[in-house]
Amino acid sequence: KNQVEQSPQSLIILEGKNCTLQCNYTVSPFSNLRWYKQDTGRGPVSLTIMTFSENTKSNGRYTATLDADTKQSSLHITASQLSDSASYICVVSAIYNQGGKLIFGQGTELSVKP
Amino acid sequence: DSGVTQTPKHLITATGQRVTLRCSPRSGDLSVYWYQQSLDQGLQFLIQYYNGEERAKGNILERFSAQQFPDLHSELNLSSLELGDSALYFCASSVEGSSYQETQYFGPGTRLLVL
Repeated sequence: KNQVEQSPQSLIILEGKNCTLQCNYTVSPFSNLRWYKQDTGRGPVSLTIMTFSENTKSNGRYTATLDADTKQSSLHITASQLSDSASYICVVSAIYNQGGKLIFGQGTELSVKP
Repeated sequence: DSGVTQTPKHLITATGQRVTLRCSPRSGDLSVYWYQQSLDQGLQFLIQYYNGEERAKGNILERFSAQQFPDLHSELNLSSLELGDSALYFCASSVEGSSYQETQYFGPGTRLLVL
C-alpha cells in the first residue's frame, strides 16, 4: 500500500532556531516528492519538488533532501521565523502507465515561538 | 496570491442540502483539481479535470460531482450533505494534466459547515 508518513506530528521551536522535519514513504513506482507549506486556513504553497535523481533542493531558508534508496526525505528550516509557523506537508507522486497519483502525508504542525 | 480563485469563502448549510463550490484556475492552466481537508485528516484528493474532461478520480463520494466548463472554470457539487462533509475544500490548478510532475497552485479554499 502506498503510504507517506511524516514526523514529528507537531513541533515547537524558538525563533531563530533550526529544525528538521521527516518524511518516509513506501510509494512505488516513485516519480517525485514535494514539500508544501500550509498556513492555517489557507491553501498549500509549493516549497520544493525533487525527482529521484535529486538529492537536495533549496528554496531560501528551506532545504529539502531526498534519499531514494531509503525512501526518506527531510525538510530543514534554517533560522526560523514566526512566519514559518504552519503545517508542512510531504507529497509523493507515483507514476503508472495511465498517469500518476499523489499521496499526501498528514503533515507536521510547526509552531515558532518568540 | 496563487492566481486561483474560489467562491464562496464560507458556506453554512443544513444536512440534506445541496451546495455548489466554484473555482477559477490560473490564467493559462488547463487542469483543475479538487481536494477535501477535514480537521482530523490531511488533504484528500477528490477529482481532476483537464480541459473539460475528467482525468483522474480519487476518494470522491457518489453524492459529490464536478465539472469543468469551456472557459475552464470548475464547479464541485455536494448533495445530500451530512455533518461529516464539513471541511475545507480546495481547488488547485496546473498548466497541463500531469499531476505527478507539475506544481499545483492552490486556491484559498471554501470552508463548508454543515449543521
